[in-house]
Amino acid sequence: QVQLVQSGAEVREPGASVKVSCKAFGYTFTGYTIHWVRQAPGQRPEWMGWISGGSGNTKYSQKFQDRVTITTDTSASSAYMELSSLTSEDTAVYYCGTSVAGLNWFDPWGQGTLVIVSS
Amino acid sequence: DIQMTQSPSSLSASVGDRLTITCRASQSIGNHLNWYQQKPGKAPKVLIYAASSLQSGVPSRFSGSGSGTDFTLTISSLQPEDFAAYYCQQSYSTPLTFGGGTKVEIK
Repeated sequence: QVQLVQSGAEVREPGASVKVSCKAFGYTFTGYTIHWVRQAPGQRPEWMGWISGGSGNTKYSQKFQDRVTITTDTSASSAYMELSSLTSEDTAVYYCGTSVAGLNWFDPWGQGTLVIVSS
Repeated sequence: DIQMTQSPSSLSASVGDRLTITCRASQSIGNHLNWYQQKPGKAPKVLIYAASSLQSGVPSRFSGSGSGTDFTLTISSLQPEDFAAYYCQQSYSTPLTFGGGTKVEIK
């Protein structure tokens, strides 16, 4: 059974960084693309970027280009999303999701990680 | 960026009703349109991919249609477990973008 399990909730002060992990179970990690999507309270999901589980190539949304870094550790079947220079507007649930390379629809998703940015 | 517009943003319906939700893209996206269901506190779950393909395990009362800029999600007979939010998402080009959502509530 394919499953993505994310790290737990985080609280950060404005200006700090946060790193969220996403571990894959039940499938060959290197054959898929891992995406990161966030959803602020009451808002639509927002795509942040993806990384190829095999090649490590990345593609970021221009909105986050300067602040986000997505990486993988294939030996751990894990992907990571680090977001820097946090503001209160970054308060959201952050999801990882997997897709077949090039198809860009997400199934499955991780359970989500709540990131709260507050002083 | 491709803008995705859904309508309605919310609706009230009864068990057994037939429901149609629409999604419009700001430019042609072929059939690169996907539909998700999201329940409170949970991650979205894909229902339909490539505009009209039913994801494995999803009940056949869900169907999708359309191409180009206009798409629809239909629920043929609403069940109690279908009360949720629904989002469309274009996978034609990056940045991948989602519609604003349709919240389906019990009448």
